[in-house]
Amino acid sequence: RKEVEQDPGPFNVPEGATVAFNCTYSNSASQSFFWYRQDCRKEPKLLMSVYSSGNEDGRFTAQLNRASQYISLLIRDSKLSDSATYLCVVARYSTLTFGKGTMLLVSP
Amino acid sequence: EAEVAQSPRYKITEKSQAVAFWCDPISGHATLYWYRQILGQGPELLVQFQDESVVDDSQLPKDRFSAERLKGVDSTLKIQPAELGDSAMYLCASSPLYNEQFFGPGTRLTVL
Repeated sequence: RKEVEQDPGPFNVPEGATVAFNCTYSNSASQSFFWYRQDCRKEPKLLMSVYSSGNEDGRFTAQLNRASQYISLLIRDSKLSDSATYLCVVARYSTLTFGKGTMLLVSP
Repeated sequence: EAEVAQSPRYKITEKSQAVAFWCDPISGHATLYWYRQILGQGPELLVQFQDESVVDDSQLPKDRFSAERLKGVDSTLKIQPAELGDSAMYLCASSPLYNEQFFGPGTRLTVL
């Protein structure tokens, strides 16, 4: 079983749609959780950290369920500029483990 | 804004040749990471340094890959000899201890 599993997509949505990505992780000792965004042929960049209480940053909402070892990302009112690959990341101490990523394509 | 620098950005080589990649982390970042990202996959950690010391190189194919960070600042990753399966993006990242990792633009390696 992979340490971090994500649906690779692609998710094709129209502008303005709401889209949700899910991720599961296998190591119950994981300590920190993140979503990174990676544009085509670019480096990953931190989108947001994920907390058990849930956290929101503008149109983006992330949620963590430690009991189910499940992480989610919700994007509301999708923009063309949201088209990218979204990487689910879990950390133990300073070591990050990345999922394969979920590709999002937002169309006009 | 401070950035992680990497060079070269692109490298094309023939199999069995030696290649080397360079990374200069953000000033003051003690931790430096080298990742390999194959197309369609997430980045996979090759080696992690804390200052000049290797913290984790369990996934580094040591028969052909080597990495060093002699003065605890910039770092070099070497592959000798390169194989076709080494074609990938090689990403360097740095972070203050236990904090967000900042990635450089990567070196895209093609082995022919």
